[in-house]
Amino acid sequence: GENVEQHPSTLSVQEGDSAVIKCTYSDSASNYFPWYKQELGKRPQLIIDIRSNVGEKKDQRIAVTLNKTAKHFSLHITETQPEDSAVYFCAASLGYSTLTFGKGTMLLVSP
Amino acid sequence: GAVVSQHPSWVICKSGTSVKIECRSLDFQATTMFWYRQFPKQSLMLMATSNEGSKATYEQGVEKDKFLINHASLTLSTLTVTSAHPEDSSFYICSARDSDRGPNQPQHFGDGTRLSIL
Repeated sequence: GENVEQHPSTLSVQEGDSAVIKCTYSDSASNYFPWYKQELGKRPQLIIDIRSNVGEKKDQRIAVTLNKTAKHFSLHITETQPEDSAVYFCAASLGYSTLTFGKGTMLLVSP
Repeated sequence: GAVVSQHPSWVICKSGTSVKIECRSLDFQATTMFWYRQFPKQSLMLMATSNEGSKATYEQGVEKDKFLINHASLTLSTLTVTSAHPEDSSFYICSARDSDRGPNQPQHFGDGTRLSIL
């Protein structure tokens, strides 16, 4: 089955800096890659997703890049703000299959 | 759109009690829903996939007689933790995908249920 590795497990940045979280996946057939943000005690919320027919997608301060050959994808957050502090999960799936999640990255943005 | 409602949000009960958690898709139909368990500072662990009108598919190591799943309609799945014990205490989250939108769609999560067994 699919295996998703996520790094780093913890990331501390100063407000205004950029943050990058990286994930690798094992199943080359996977074609859907969402990113979720989870604040403490709350539900995971979809922040951005990318499908395998594109290499990059951007939504304001958030972007995701996908390298199918290397089987890795990354989340980029620019101009970080304290409210960006949360745990971020990457995931991968194929078609209607179940999402396989990474272990999560705790992002801490200091004012 | 794509709202998933989960109830109750937290439960405290005595050991041996059975607890039912409901997961509803409010504005879309979901032939498939997913049940996760999450321990503090850990990732989401898939317990089972709930299929409307048929038996749930359980992940390895998850006891189907312990965690009963019923998905009787396109908008409702329930998880019943039978004879709960302290080791069942955890954060349980459901998610659903819009069945009408085809493959490669995101899962939308409920608010989760914090279960504490005394």
